[in-house]
Amino acid sequence: EAEVAQSPRYKITEKSQAVAFWCDPISGHATLYWYRQILGQGPELLVQFQDESVVDDSQLPKDRFSAERLKGVDSTLKIQPAELGDSAMYLCASSSQAGTDTQYFGPGTRLTVL
Amino acid sequence: DAKTTQPPSMDCAEGRAANLPCNHSTISGNEYVYWYRQIHSQGPQYIIHGLKNNETNEMASLIITEDRKSSTLILPHATLRDTAVYYCIVRGYNNAGNMLTFGGGTRLMVKP
Repeated sequence: EAEVAQSPRYKITEKSQAVAFWCDPISGHATLYWYRQILGQGPELLVQFQDESVVDDSQLPKDRFSAERLKGVDSTLKIQPAELGDSAMYLCASSSQAGTDTQYFGPGTRLTVL
Repeated sequence: DAKTTQPPSMDCAEGRAANLPCNHSTISGNEYVYWYRQIHSQGPQYIIHGLKNNETNEMASLIITEDRKSSTLILPHATLRDTAVYYCIVRGYNNAGNMLTFGGGTRLMVKP
């Protein structure tokens, strides 16, 4: 069964450092999502791509976060500089189409900022 | 997005059916009900979804009331591996089409 891949699974960094997370969606899935999940809460959408284009980044803190999906396949989410409050699980999901199809999630990257 | 209300926690005996309720009284006619679960430290796992009719797959059954204001996820024979947080989501739409708004979920504990 095809799965969404994410790396690294765990990342520990110091505040003010830069971090990057990688996501490879299910093959053929045009829509890719990045979510952030703070401990004890449900995931919250950060950014959504349709192919290589950002179609919703209204909840992305753009002063420090950036996301790209240059070839419309895999994607990178970057934080620079990291702050203590960024400690969370970062989840990637994909679906074949934006409007109707089920989102499938990867295993996530657990970020700890010291 | 329609908001959902779920009990924060539930217990279930291993081998028995687990019935997880969800209220979504403000759901719109074209909004689907989705269920995901999240086992500790893993990504959410899709379980099932429905619009009006009851649905069943290899994992669970979804019962939606006729007025669509509530639903129940049924795990027919719960096992210890079903211990997880279960999220009931009414799928909304942003300008890009599809978005999921997660609430607090129900923490299901399956006990031996």
